[in-house]
Amino acid sequence: NAGVTQTPKFRVLKTGQSMTLLCAQDMNHEYMYWYRQDPGMGLRLIHYSVGEGTTAKGEVPDGYNVSRLKKQNFLLGLESAAPSQTSVYFCASSFMVEQETQYFGPGTRLLVL
Amino acid sequence: GQNIDQPTEMTATEGAIVQINCTYQTSGFNGLFWYQQHAGEAPTFLSYNVLDGLEEKGRFSSFLSRSKGYSYLLLKELQMKDSASYLCAVMDSNYQLIWGAGTKLIIKP
Repeated sequence: NAGVTQTPKFRVLKTGQSMTLLCAQDMNHEYMYWYRQDPGMGLRLIHYSVGEGTTAKGEVPDGYNVSRLKKQNFLLGLESAAPSQTSVYFCASSFMVEQETQYFGPGTRLLVL
Repeated sequence: GQNIDQPTEMTATEGAIVQINCTYQTSGFNGLFWYQQHAGEAPTFLSYNVLDGLEEKGRFSSFLSRSKGYSYLLLKELQMKDSASYLCAVMDSNYQLIWGAGTKLIIKP
């Protein structure tokens, strides 16, 4: 039981390049989330999904797209990376949303030059 | 707007007790969470409060006062491994977590 996994662990991009971050969970959770964490700030929700085939915008969705084609996977895409997207990205999942703990992946460190 | 406030950094001595405070102003309230995050690692769940009062779990306790918009995390018998950031998060009326910036706890021998 691996829990929540993320790939890659670290990536360097040039401005304008694109990439996809992959999140996978083996806990059969319905809900999945993408956050970014920046120094001096709390985790901020980018996008989330309440089930296979569904996605919704969070607090800071601009510049990102997501897809949830399979229940266990949640992909975060950057179509044209910008230096402002330099951050640590965390994926999380939960069985329900109410009163429910979110389980986090190990994070992806992204540097955009 | 929604706001979660907690101290940026605290220092404590091994074996002692420390209290980390969190105040919040959110649109609705569906519970308050505390997470621990070691440097370079993912946040991990510590505690959940939805009703007023104290929840105790081993060396860690968490308190909530909804009327005051206030919570604290109490860590007893501090160990060096408790050096980490402690994140306070409130679930708002849309069932989204609003996160504080975290409190970095430094434990000295």
